[in-house]
Amino acid sequence: ELKVEQNPLFLSMQEGKNYTIYCNYSTTSDRLYWYRQDPGKSLESLFVLLSNGAVKQEGRLMASLDTKARLSTLHITAAVHDLSATYFCAVDNTDKLIFGTGTRLQVFP
Amino acid sequence: GAVVSQHPSRVICKSGTSVKIECRSLDFQATTMFWYRQFPKQSLMLMATSNEGSKATYEQGVEKDKFLINHASLTLSTLTVTSAHPEDSSFYICSARTPSVETQYFGPGTRLLVL
Repeated sequence: ELKVEQNPLFLSMQEGKNYTIYCNYSTTSDRLYWYRQDPGKSLESLFVLLSNGAVKQEGRLMASLDTKARLSTLHITAAVHDLSATYFCAVDNTDKLIFGTGTRLQVFP
Repeated sequence: GAVVSQHPSRVICKSGTSVKIECRSLDFQATTMFWYRQFPKQSLMLMATSNEGSKATYEQGVEKDKFLINHASLTLSTLTVTSAHPEDSSFYICSARTPSVETQYFGPGTRLLVL
C-alpha cells in the first residue's frame, strides 16, 4: 500500500524566513504533484513534477523531486502572509492520486 | 484552462434522504473522473474512479451501495449519497482528467451536512 507522508504537519513561520516542507512516499512513482488549499476551498494546482531531478519554481515556491530517494520538497523563500494555507503533495499511483497528510502553514508578521 | 464545476456547492439534508452531487468538465472531455472526500483538517481520500460508460472502481472500505457513482457522458459524473447519515457529512471533491494531460483538474467541492 502506497503511503505518502509530509512533515511538518504544522508550520508557523515568520514573514521573510525560509523553510522546506518534505514529502516522502513508500513506493516507486515518477509523478508527483503539489497543491495548495485555502480554508473552505478546493485544491489549487501548484506544481507537476514528472521526472527524477525535476525542479520547478513559481514566485516564492520551489518544488523538486528525487525519485530514487522517494522524496519531494517544497521550499518557501522569504515567506509572506499570503502563503498561509495547507499544502498537499500527491503521488501518482497507476493514475490514482494518493495524497500526503498535508502541511498547514501559518505565516505571521 | 480546464474547468471543472460541481453542483451544489453546499447542501444540508435530513438523515435518511439521498443527495446527488454533479461534477462537470466544462471545456474538455473527461474520460476519467475521481471522487474524493475530505473531513475537517484531514487529507483527501480517494473514494472511487469512474470511466465514461463503465462501472466505477471503488477504493477499499467505500460502500458501493451507499455512494452511487454514474459517469454517463464525457462531461458529467454524479455521486449519489444514499440514505445519508450524519457521519456522511464531509467535503466532497471531484476531479477530471484526459489521457493526454498529466494532471487532474479539481472541482470547487461540495460541502454536505446531514442533520
